[in-house]
Amino acid sequence: QITLKESGPALVKPTQTLTLTCTFSGFSLSTSAVAVGWIRQPPGKALEWLAHVYGNDNKYYSLSLRTRLTITKDTPKNQVVLTLTNLDPVDTGTYYCAHLSGVRWYMYDYWGQGTLVTVSS
Amino acid sequence: DIQMTQSPSSLSASVGDRVTITCRAGQNINKYLNWYQQKPGKAPELLIYGASTLQTGVPSRFSGSGSGTDFTLTISGLQPEDFATYYCQQSSSAVMYTFGQGTKLEIK
Repeated sequence: QITLKESGPALVKPTQTLTLTCTFSGFSLSTSAVAVGWIRQPPGKALEWLAHVYGNDNKYYSLSLRTRLTITKDTPKNQVVLTLTNLDPVDTGTYYCAHLSGVRWYMYDYWGQGTLVTVSS
Repeated sequence: DIQMTQSPSSLSASVGDRVTITCRAGQNINKYLNWYQQKPGKAPELLIYGASTLQTGVPSRFSGSGSGTDFTLTISGLQPEDFATYYCQQSSSAVMYTFGQGTKLEIK
């Protein structure tokens, strides 16, 4: 059974760096056919894809946020960490991590419950 | 980035109705198109992948079609639990993905 859970601060100040951790179970992030991604959703708005990392450590980022984002994996700990620098109130939202299945098709088939992050002074 | 445009942005329908949501890609994405359902306060759930393949456990009243740049999600015989927001997502490059802006399906 695949599960994912996000953790991190609920409140951060503008200009600070956000660090979120996705802890997962039920699969190993050690093959090129599997990835863990991050997706966020501002309150009342649409989903926005941020980044994902494959088991072979290939990493991909949203073009609009790539200068502020870093994604890393810790395979033995079954964790993926996302950092977002230079926070602004527009970064407020729910951040989800998700399992990407990528053999023939690529889709996020398992999601965490999400963690709400508020950027405010 | 490949832009994804959904229409309509909102839709009112009644239980038992048949509804169709469309998604257009900014360039050819073959059949690398996924559909998700999201209910308030919950994480999205995968409905359809590869444009037309139902995820395990998804009721057969959901169906998807299309290829290239134009795709549709159809729900035949709306049930009360289907009122939610639906998102399309392209995954054509396995590198960078984008979501549509969502379609909110409301009860008439």
